[in-house]
Amino acid sequence: KAGVTQTPRYLIKTRGQQVTLSCSPISGHRSVSWYQQTPGQGLQFLFEYFSETQRNKGNFPGRFSGRQFSNSRSEMNVSTLELGDSALYLCASTLAGDTQYFGPGTRLTVL
Amino acid sequence: GQNIDQPTEMTATEGAIVQINCTYQTSGFNGLFWYQQHAGEAPTFLSYNVLDGLEEKGRFSSFLSRSKGYSYLLLKELQMKDSASYLCAVRDMGPGGNKLVFGAGTILRVKS
Repeated sequence: KAGVTQTPRYLIKTRGQQVTLSCSPISGHRSVSWYQQTPGQGLQFLFEYFSETQRNKGNFPGRFSGRQFSNSRSEMNVSTLELGDSALYLCASTLAGDTQYFGPGTRLTVL
Repeated sequence: GQNIDQPTEMTATEGAIVQINCTYQTSGFNGLFWYQQHAGEAPTFLSYNVLDGLEEKGRFSSFLSRSKGYSYLLLKELQMKDSASYLCAVRDMGPGGNKLVFGAGTILRVKS
């Protein structure tokens, strides 16, 4: 069974731009969670989607948004990028609220 | 709120045993996970505890005491490839639903 996939793997943007990251969960997994990982803050929860509905949200500004499609694939969007948004963005999928399996991440650099 | 504490760094010798501790405070505890993360890679699942006691999986074991808000990860017969960051994460089933809250991670260095 294929694991969680994320695209793109690396991304370079400039301040003020917006970015969309994609995540395809493990086949059969309906829950997708997004995390931001930085050296200073560690892994921080962004949001979780289940059956196309956001059912949990972390403490991030409204510039961070997401959605989930009927095939469980998920996207997250960051608008008006800031230098501090440079991070590894990780997506994790889970079957029914149990163990989360992480994708390889998207490394975003904001210049 | 939630608070998860684990040591920042540890160093151990190849072939030895090391114990990484994690203490937590959370309102809606529903399980504790340990993940391993090598530099530049995604976290990979190691173990899960929801009931008190010890879970053993090969060279790795994890222990949980819910009354004390305490867990540890035990790594035996250390190998150089075990050098990585070890993340303790608590599943919080609060009003917002399912959420994993991570500690800052413990960087383990295995020396020969």
